Amino acid sequence: GNSVTQMEGPVTLSEEAFLTINCTYTATGYPSLFWYVQYPGEGLQLLLKATKADDKGSNKGFEATYRKETTSFHLEKGSVQVSDSAVYFCALRSSGAGSYQLTFGKGTKLSVIP
Amino acid sequence: GAGVSQSPSNKVTEKGKDVELRCDPISGHTALYWYRQSLGQGLEFLIYFQGNSAPDKSGLPSDRFSAERTGGSVSTLTIQRTQQEDSAVYLCASSLLTDRAYGYTFGSGTRLTVV
Repeated sequence: GNSVTQMEGPVTLSEEAFLTINCTYTATGYPSLFWYVQYPGEGLQLLLKATKADDKGSNKGFEATYRKETTSFHLEKGSVQVSDSAVYFCALRSSGAGSYQLTFGKGTKLSVIP
Repeated sequence: GAGVSQSPSNKVTEKGKDVELRCDPISGHTALYWYRQSLGQGLEFLIYFQGNSAPDKSGLPSDRFSAERTGGSVSTLTIQRTQQEDSAVYLCASSLLTDRAYGYTFGSGTRLTVV
């Protein structure tokens, strides 16, 4: 079955530090990959996505590249801000049966300190 | 509406009572999903509705859980005889299409606490 593994948190960084949150996946076929963000007290928001190999999703300074050879979709940001403190979820949506389901990782909590 | 609306935002109930959670999806979104977010467990798929098709209930954890979607719009998730392990945030989401390139739009969730 499909699965998503992301690095366990919490991750604590100083403002302006470089961020990487690792995400790897297992899926058949050609899944679409997503990063969602959940700010404190809020629901999940789509941060970025990529639908095929070598695609790069980007939004709000965050980037992730769909790497089929390593089955990865790592999230990066060059300079984090306090406002980036949130929980980040990697997710996939497969191309096969049951493709309407999103399979999520367990989330990585990021805290950015001034 | 502009977003996915869920109510109530918080619910505290006594063990053994029934609860109903409501989701109002984005207008025109034919697909609706319920997920459960438990501490340390990530997001767990519960049920999926698509148009007039039979729902996929494969994620419902027990027969105490049920959901319906009336008129292809509003959905209600019902938990009967609540247990403490039902305490979680219940998230509803909707999407315009089921194409794999589309993510979902989530509501803010209902935080359920069973005491």
